[in-house]
Amino acid sequence: DVKVTQSSRYLVKRTGEKVFLECVQDMDHENMFWYRQDPGLGLRLIYFSYDVKMKEKGDIPEGYSVSREKKERFSLILESASTNQTSMYLCASSLGGGGYTFGSGTRLTVV
Amino acid sequence: GENVEQHPSTLSVQEGDSAVIKCTYSDSASNYFPWYKQELGKGPQLIIDIRSNVGEKKDQRIAVTLNKTAKHFSLHITETQPEDSAVYFCAASTNSGGYQKVTFGTGTKLQVIP
Repeated sequence: DVKVTQSSRYLVKRTGEKVFLECVQDMDHENMFWYRQDPGLGLRLIYFSYDVKMKEKGDIPEGYSVSREKKERFSLILESASTNQTSMYLCASSLGGGGYTFGSGTRLTVV
Repeated sequence: GENVEQHPSTLSVQEGDSAVIKCTYSDSASNYFPWYKQELGKGPQLIIDIRSNVGEKKDQRIAVTLNKTAKHFSLHITETQPEDSAVYFCAASTNSGGYQKVTFGTGTKLQVIP
């Protein structure tokens, strides 16, 4: 069964910490995405990547960066965590113009 | 950019009844419309999709219809069961700068009452 694996289900971090969220897919998909999900706001795109070492800003990139050194791995980095970054983070991958396969999500709390 | 509106935000139906969720989109260039189901504690899962050259698609108890002229598409679930209870998201996908840009609706929380 195809999979997108996010390394942590729950994380609690302190304000100002540097936070790494890891995502790995085993489907050889070229496209990978990071979304955050907040009640009433749906899914909002933070960053995406269509190839190794390639990255593009989504709709809400401020305060985040990403890294894609290998095709299967896409990391989201919160440079200096703030309380307004408390959210559910979802990683997804896709092949071409098809639908996404999502991970189970990481619920991040910044205190 | 693309804007996707989804209604209703919550929906309660009796088991066995039908449920309909509606979405509208703004960009006439959108050409791919997936639907996702998100169960509690899980990531969204693709359940059905439709492309712009098709008006309707069915998979067992779920179906999706697309009206390109009116720029709206709908998800229909027949003979609902308690396991259909979840949050459903629609999305519209557009070619933008050589890649596909996907915009999601804000979700519909469906509750099926046994």
